[in-house]
Amino acid sequence: EDKVVQSPLSLVVHEGDTVTLNCSYEVTNFRSLLWYKQEKKAPTFLFMLTSSGIEKKSGRLSSILDKKELFSILNITATQTGDSAIYLCVVANAGGTSYGKLTFGQGTILTVHP
Amino acid sequence: GAGVSQSPSNKVTEKGKDVELRCDPISGHTALYWYRQSLGQGLEFLIYFQGNSAPDKSGLPSDRFSAERTGGSVSTLTIQRTQQEDSAVYLCASSLSRANTEAFFGQGTRLTVV
Repeated sequence: EDKVVQSPLSLVVHEGDTVTLNCSYEVTNFRSLLWYKQEKKAPTFLFMLTSSGIEKKSGRLSSILDKKELFSILNITATQTGDSAIYLCVVANAGGTSYGKLTFGQGTILTVHP
Repeated sequence: GAGVSQSPSNKVTEKGKDVELRCDPISGHTALYWYRQSLGQGLEFLIYFQGNSAPDKSGLPSDRFSAERTGGSVSTLTIQRTQQEDSAVYLCASSLSRANTEAFFGQGTRLTVV
């Protein structure tokens, strides 16, 4: 059974801090790893990673994938209160009838205090 | 439509009643997912439709849950004889194809069983 595990499950920081969110996975046929930010209800897309060692950046957020060790990290520098959300790590399957199926981690709840 | 549309946005129902939740995916998206998120929990996979293939129903928690997707577009998730533990936010997502795994989420339906 495919599994995605995120850590920590929750994190409380102050504005300006840098945070690192972790995601490890066990997937029979890996295709891609995606990070989402969930505020209120609908998760919004952040990054999709398919290759090891290539960092993706968007403003203060960056992410990298290690396909050998089966993990990814999401970094947020100079955090702001607007970064408070649940961050979801998702892995897409590449094999057989499960091709494209997404497996979600539990999420990391990030709270940024002023 | 411009995005994934779910209806209703909120539903309160009495225990034992049946409910239907609707998802309109982005036009042209062949993959459609149903997830649910209970209070304080991660996203739980329910069912995955991909084109004309048989759906992956492995996440449906009991035989009270069923889903269909008519004409490869709109999907309906039906919960029969609702129980209080069915209370959750039910999220629908769609993606363009099995090869393009970025998923777009609807705003969800908050189901409350009283």
